Amino acid sequence: AQSVTQLGSHVSVSEGALVLLRCNYSSSVPPYLFWYVQYPNQGLQLLLKYTSAATLVKGINGFEAEFKKSETSFHLTKPSAHMSDAAEYFCAVSWETGNQFYFGTGTSLTVIP
Amino acid sequence: DAGVIQSPRHEVTEMGQEVTLRCKPISGHDYLFWYRQTMMRGLELLIYFNNNVPIDDSGMPEDRFSAKMPNASFSTLKIQPSEPRDSAVYFCASSRAGANVLTFGAGSRLTVL
Repeated sequence: AQSVTQLGSHVSVSEGALVLLRCNYSSSVPPYLFWYVQYPNQGLQLLLKYTSAATLVKGINGFEAEFKKSETSFHLTKPSAHMSDAAEYFCAVSWETGNQFYFGTGTSLTVIP
Repeated sequence: DAGVIQSPRHEVTEMGQEVTLRCKPISGHDYLFWYRQTMMRGLELLIYFNNNVPIDDSGMPEDRFSAKMPNASFSTLKIQPSEPRDSAVYFCASSRAGANVLTFGAGSRLTVL
């Protein structure tokens, strides 16, 4: 079954520290990969998207993610956490056919002042 | 572009009542998705449409749930009769074929007493 797994439902970092949110996918076919962010009481917003053009993808708000085929991973990072980064983050995967999107269970990021 | 528009943003109703949630996708988008988000289950795909035709409704929990898309600019998700366990945030999202990016609405928070 094709799916995406997010390790760690809750992550806490200090303000200014590195943010690392983990995502692994299971697929025999290279997928499209996404990170979405959800702020409280809002819908999901696209952070970044991997479409095979480059393995390191830069997104909004200083976030980036690296596609590693050998590890079937697409971890999200940010060098220095800001208080405004506190939110729920979702990894998602899709393929060309069907246009279906499969979401991970989400990781709640807390930033400690 | 106004984005994906959902109404109502909040709905409080009593068990047994009919609930109708509405969605206007982004103009030109030919895929429309309904998701449900709860603390217990995370983000679940309920149903999705392509060119107004339901493609996969396997995520619809029960016959109490129904969704329609009478035209390219409008969709409804109806729950009849509603139950307390239906309390959740319901998201509508749309995408354009080939673009492979989902755009979410702000969500409709449903509380069934």
